[in-house]
Formats: sequence, structure tokens, C-alpha cells
Amino acid sequence: AQSVAQPEDQVNVAEGNPLTVKCTYSVSGNPYLFWYVQYPNRGLQFLLKYITGDNLVKGSYGFEAEFNKSQTSFHLKKPSALVSDSALYFCAVRDIGGQGFSFIFGKGTRLLVKP
Amino acid sequence: GAGVSQTPSNKVTEKGKYVELRCDPISGHTALYWYRQSLGQGPEFLIYFQGTGAADDSGLPNDRFFAVRPEGSVSTLKIQRTERGDSAVYLCASSITQNTEAFFGQGTRLTVV
Repeated sequence: AQSVAQPEDQVNVAEGNPLTVKCTYSVSGNPYLFWYVQYPNRGLQFLLKYITGDNLVKGSYGFEAEFNKSQTSFHLKKPSALVSDSALYFCAVRDIGGQGFSFIFGKGTRLLVKP
Repeated sequence: GAGVSQTPSNKVTEKGKYVELRCDPISGHTALYWYRQSLGQGPEFLIYFQGTGAADDSGLPNDRFFAVRPEGSVSTLKIQRTERGDSAVYLCASSITQNTEAFFGQGTRLTVV
């Protein structure tokens, strides 16, 4: 069965500092990996995805993520955090070749960027 | 519209009543998903449609939950005999195909009292 783990409930970072939000996954086949962001009282917004190819993928708002197959990780990163990045971040995986067609989401990590 | 539209945005119903939640996906998107999100949790998969058919309904919690997509576009999630534990935000998403990213609507907040 596929699963996603986001080990941190909250990540605190000072504005201007680099940030990392961690995600590890488990699938039986090959993974499609995604990051979404959710602002208060808003829907989920797509940030970036890894399907195949270059392990470093770039997405919206200056975010990027690195796919590491050996560590089964897909950590979200940004070189310089902004206060406006404060939100709830979700990692999701889809098991290509496995059973089912759903995106499985992690429980989310709250990012708090302090001025 | 340009995005996924869900109606109503809020629904309050009494325990035992029947409710319908509507999702209007992005035009041309063949894949449609329903998720449920409880406070402090990630979205929980309910059902996936490819076209008109439910390709994966393994996430529906019990037979009180049912969803349709008769013409391959708009979908309706139906909940019979609602219970207080059904209270959550119900999210709909669509994607061009099953192998691309999904775009989510704003959700319907269901409160069962």
C-alpha cells in the first residue's frame, strides 16, 4: 500500500533563511510525487511535481523539491523564506503501476515564517 | 470558470438527513476526485472517476456514501442518513488525465448537527 509521511507538524524559520519541509513515501511501483500548499480558508494549490527525469524540480513561488529514490524522500525547499510562505504544506504520492488511482496525502506540515 | 467549482460552500444539516454536494471540474478534465479533509488532517481519498465511471471507490467509508458523474463532467457526492462524524470539508479535484497533477476546488464544509 502507498503511504506518505511528513514527520514535522510545524517548521519555524526566520524570514530570509532557507527552509526545508520533509516528506518520505512508500509505494510498490514508481512514484509520482506532488507538493500542495493550503492557505487559511482556501483550497489546495498545486506547487510542483516529480514524474520522471531530473531529480530536482522547480515549482511556483520559488519552491523546489528534490527526489531521492534511495531515501524515498521528496523534501520541499526554498532558498529564502518569506513571511507570506506561512501556510500548511502537503506532500502527496501516486503509485504508478500499483493498485488504485488516488493521490495519497500526508498529514501536512505547518510552516511559520517569522519576520 | 477557470477552476474547479464546488457548491454549496457551506452546508449545515441535521443528523439523519440526506445531502448532495456538487463539483464542476475544469473543462476537458477527464479525471475527477473526491476527498474529505477533517480538521488538522490531510485530505483523505474517497473516490476517483475516469470519464463517467468510478474507477476507484475504495475510499468511500460505507454504503451511505455514493457519487455519480453521469455525463463525464459534473459530479455529485451523495450522503444518506448523515452522522455527526461526517462533518468535514469535502474537496473535489480534477486533472487532465490520471497521470497529471490535480487541481482542487475550495471545498464544501459540511456540518452535521
